[in-house]
Amino acid sequence: GENVEQHPSTLSVQEGDSAVIKCTYSDSASNYFPWYKQELGKGPQLIIDIRSNVGEKKDQRIAVTLNKTAKHFSLHITETQPEDSAVYFCAASIYGNYQLIWGAGTKLIIKP
Amino acid sequence: GAGVSQSPSNKVTEKGKDVELRCDPISGHTALYWYRQSLGQGLEFLIYFQGNSAPDKSGLPSDRFSAERTGGSVSTLTIQRTQQEDSAVYLCASSPETGHGYEQYFGPGTRLTVT
Repeated sequence: GENVEQHPSTLSVQEGDSAVIKCTYSDSASNYFPWYKQELGKGPQLIIDIRSNVGEKKDQRIAVTLNKTAKHFSLHITETQPEDSAVYFCAASIYGNYQLIWGAGTKLIIKP
Repeated sequence: GAGVSQSPSNKVTEKGKDVELRCDPISGHTALYWYRQSLGQGLEFLIYFQGNSAPDKSGLPSDRFSAERTGGSVSTLTIQRTQQEDSAVYLCASSPETGHGYEQYFGPGTRLTVT
């Protein structure tokens, strides 16, 4: 079955710098890749997603890139701010399957 | 509008007791998921309800776990004869559509501690 690996498990960056979180997936049939942000004491919340017919998607300071050949996708956050501190999860889904396969999460720490 | 709500927010129980966790999805959402999140870990799928169809129970870790969804809305997750390894945050999510590629809206979770 599908497996999603996420790196790094913890990422500490200076406020204003960029942060990059990477995920790899195993099943080439996967074609939907969302990213969720989980703040302390809350449930995860979708921040951006990408489908396999697109190589990159941007929304203000966040962007996601997808490399289908290498089977990896990345989350990019530019001009990081204190409110970006959270745990970020990537996930993958195979077309026709409602289940999301989740990465283990990355704790992002923004240093003032 | 109102989001997904879960109750209780925290539950401490003794080993061997039964617990019930409740999820109120967003009104009109047809799909409902239960996940378990152990400390510092990712999300472990437990069960999926889709409209009036039979639920997908493939993620339930043992027969001590069960869930139901009444009237296509509220769902309860029941854990019988709780064990210490059941300690985790239990998350519920709902989605406006069944199938593939739709956003899941999560509740704040129930933190279960088994002593």
